[in-house]
Amino acid sequence: KNEVEQSPQNLTAQEGEFITINCSYSVGISALHWLQQHPGGGIVSLFMLSSGKKKHGRLIATINIQEKHSSLHITASHPRDSAVYICAVGSQGNLIFGKGTKLSVKP
Amino acid sequence: DSGVTQTPKHLITATGQRVTLRCSPRSGDLSVYWYQQSLDQGLQFLIHYYNGEERAKGNILERFSAQQFPDLHSELNLSSLELGDSALYFCASSVDTGPYGYTFGSGTRLTVV
Repeated sequence: KNEVEQSPQNLTAQEGEFITINCSYSVGISALHWLQQHPGGGIVSLFMLSSGKKKHGRLIATINIQEKHSSLHITASHPRDSAVYICAVGSQGNLIFGKGTKLSVKP
Repeated sequence: DSGVTQTPKHLITATGQRVTLRCSPRSGDLSVYWYQQSLDQGLQFLIHYYNGEERAKGNILERFSAQQFPDLHSELNLSSLELGDSALYFCASSVDTGPYGYTFGSGTRLTVV
């Protein structure tokens, strides 16, 4: 079993839909990160969380430390949100990555 | 531009060869992390340097080595290359070793033929 599990693996949405990507982990963490990787390959750090909730524009990330679970929400999704979203947990000095969720938003 | 510079962007080389990937961290960041992203394995942590010293090792092969220089740039050396080493290699930097945000470089795409 992977230490970081993401669901779903693939997600197709219509423009404007509300999207949720989930991440569960099984190790002790110092922080949880949500990353975005565009088709060109570049990785952008979206959020770093150790508790509660963070919001940036149309993106919201939440974490429940007791349940070892985090969610990334995208409100009013747009085709430019199409990317792979990766959950990563900081544990013992390095990052452990989930396998990513490939999101495709259709116009 | 994220502030983390990786060179070269693309590299094609033959099996058995040796290559060096370079990473310059964002100004002020002391930590450099190397990651490998292959199609079948996803992103994997390789190694972490902080202010010139190795801090943590992940799934890094013995054929691979890295170092961080006094000016804080880092190099990842890959030797005796195999077809399976073809991957995207990312470096990331952060200000310290704790749970701080990471800034990723744009990656080096290595193709071994």
